[in-house]
Amino acid sequence: EIVMTQSPATLSVSPGERATLSCRAGQSLSSNLAWYQRKPGQAPRLLIYGASTRATGIPARFSGSGSGTEFTLTISSLQSEDFAVYYCLHYNDWLWAFGQGTRVEIK
Amino acid sequence: QLQLQESGPGLVKPSETLSLTCTVSGDPVSSTSYYWGWIRQPPGKGLEWIGTIYVSGSTYHNPSLKSRVTISVDTSKNQFSLKLTSVTAADTAVYFCARTDITIFGVVPLDFWGQGTLVTVSS
Repeated sequence: EIVMTQSPATLSVSPGERATLSCRAGQSLSSNLAWYQRKPGQAPRLLIYGASTRATGIPARFSGSGSGTEFTLTISSLQSEDFAVYYCLHYNDWLWAFGQGTRVEIK
Repeated sequence: QLQLQESGPGLVKPSETLSLTCTVSGDPVSSTSYYWGWIRQPPGKGLEWIGTIYVSGSTYHNPSLKSRVTISVDTSKNQFSLKLTSVTAADTAVYFCARTDITIFGVVPLDFWGQGTLVTVSS
């Protein structure tokens, strides 16, 4: 079983500021890492896959980086609609696993 | 436009079987370009991958649930289904169905989701 660890659990950020979220894998994943945004009452939304490829329609302020065991999601300038919970997903070898999530809240 | 819609009982008794169906419109579940999967989120907790099916019938499951999970596909109805046996209160969650796209560059995981359905396990 691959364990995905996200940090921090909660990130307090002011609108317009940069947010950096981390996801660490228990073993190397190559680049099979995705990021999702989850808001109450809505389905999760794919933001990033392949560690760094933005999904269709995702604004350029969202970017992903990393490989192996260390991955980062960066939101360059937080907008009001970006306050949500973010999850990373490992999708390698059909042992898929989500991280426990990072809540991005208004400071 | 692709739409996925979960359906099934909202209340299941402990030790019984949870059964959900995902009805897909806008894409054929018989397509060789997609996988179809299930994910859940217990109240106040994070997302958990349950399992995925391909049109060939190949299935892949979360090892922690594998012995209790059956995922199947019905191409005639353009649906796929989840059965989870011997449920307990710990299986109370919002259950989502979702598509994974297969491209020449690799998979795009869980790119379209249903809105989710809450299933409560209680007597």
